[in-house]
Amino acid sequence: DAKTTQPPSMDCAEGRAANLPCNHSTISGNEYVYWYRQIHSQGPQYIIHGLKNNETNEMASLIITEDRKSSTLILPHATLRDTAVYYCIVRVPIKAAGNKLTFGGGTRVLVKP
Amino acid sequence: KAGVTQTPRYLIKTRGQQVTLSCSPISGHRSVSWYQQTPGQGLQFLFEYFSETQRNKGNFPGRFSGRQFSNSRSEMNVSTLELGDSALYLCASSLGPGAEFSYEQYFGPGTRLTVT
Repeated sequence: DAKTTQPPSMDCAEGRAANLPCNHSTISGNEYVYWYRQIHSQGPQYIIHGLKNNETNEMASLIITEDRKSSTLILPHATLRDTAVYYCIVRVPIKAAGNKLTFGGGTRVLVKP
Repeated sequence: KAGVTQTPRYLIKTRGQQVTLSCSPISGHRSVSWYQQTPGQGLQFLFEYFSETQRNKGNFPGRFSGRQFSNSRSEMNVSTLELGDSALYLCASSLGPGAEFSYEQYFGPGTRLTVT
C-alpha cells in the first residue's frame, strides 16, 4: 500500500470547515483513499473513501486531485465532538488484499470553541 | 444493531503469562481483524480472519496468534507476555470480501492490556 503524509496536528474553530490534507504521491492506479478517525479512548471510525472522484456523505467530503497524488478531507461544520486523530490511508481493493489497514501517524485535530 | 464487542475491556498480566482476548463482530459480519495500538508504534495490523481462516498477517512474532469460530467470533492469544505487549488491542469487523460495502470496518472499543 502507498505511503501517506499528513500534518501532525491542526486546530479548527467550531462551526467552521476543517480541511485536512493528505499527500499520497506514490499512489497506484487501483488504490483507494480511505479516511478514518479515532476519538480519544475509542476505536477508529470509518469516515469516507474514494478512488478518483470527489465523494460526499453525511460526515464529510473527500476531494481527490486529478493526478490523485493528494486529497483533502473536509468536515463542513466542525463541532467539538470532531476533535480526534484523523488517518488517511491508501490501499488496494478489499478483494485483492483483504482488510488490512496500514495506519500512519494521522493528524490530531483540535476543534476549539 | 449491536456494535463490535470486546472482552475484557481491561486486563493486567505479569511478564511470562499468556492472555486471550475475545471479539464478537457485528451480526452478519464475517471478517474480523485485530490491531495493536501503542504510543510508540501507533496502530499496527496483527491479522485478519474470514470464514475461520487467517487471510492476512502482520509483522508480529509467533507469540501472537488468533482464531475464528464458525459464528465469526474471534479470539487472539499472546503467549509469554513481555512488557512491550502493553497496548490497546482493537478488533474490527466487516462484511467480508465480495460484499458491496466490505470496505467499511467497524472497530470495537478495544482491550487495554497492561503487562507488569
